[in-house]
Amino acid sequence: KNQVEQSPQSLIILEGKNCTLQCNYTVSPFSNLRWYKQDTGRGPVSLTIMTFSENTKSNGRYTATLDADTKQSSLHITASQLSDSASYICVVPNNAGNMLTFGGGTRLMVKP
Amino acid sequence: SQTIHQWPATLVQPVGSPLSLECTVEGTSNPNLYWYRQAAGRGLQLLFYSVGIGQISSEVPQNLSASRPQDRQFILSSKKLLLSDSGFYLCAWSATWTDEAFFGQGTRLTVV
Repeated sequence: KNQVEQSPQSLIILEGKNCTLQCNYTVSPFSNLRWYKQDTGRGPVSLTIMTFSENTKSNGRYTATLDADTKQSSLHITASQLSDSASYICVVPNNAGNMLTFGGGTRLMVKP
Repeated sequence: SQTIHQWPATLVQPVGSPLSLECTVEGTSNPNLYWYRQAAGRGLQLLFYSVGIGQISSEVPQNLSASRPQDRQFILSSKKLLLSDSGFYLCAWSATWTDEAFFGQGTRLTVV
């Protein structure tokens, strides 16, 4: 069964601190893994995509990693800002091209 | 450039009333179209997807239905709403299952 598990479910950090969000998946066959950011009351927006051959990719203060052997990805946020408060969702389509599996998301709150 | 429009943004409906949410996409042809529901504090649940006009696949049995009367139009309907239909409904499109999904702004539905 295709599954995507994210941890922690929620996280509170102080502004300026770093944090790391985790995503474990069992989707097979694997195609890619995307991290989305969803602001409250809005639709999710893609932050980054990781393909099978990529280990690390950065997008500003966001750095995603992928370990295809252990089927784990992480999203590291550096020097957090209040605007980083949102839900972060890990999404993995299967390579057969007929299914998307969403993680439950991590709700991040950055406090001043 | 491609854009996705979803309306209304908020909706309060009595139990037993009908529902019609509309989503349109501009700037692309033959997109995959999706309807998702998100309960408060929960992850995204795929309700319906469509890979072409008149082609609708349902992921979760319920009293909702979807239709795709035109290539870039996706409609979510119900003949009689239930309290449990309350939630945040998101329309999305992507070129294929493995491509980035672009989400609408969502509809906050409250059934009273």
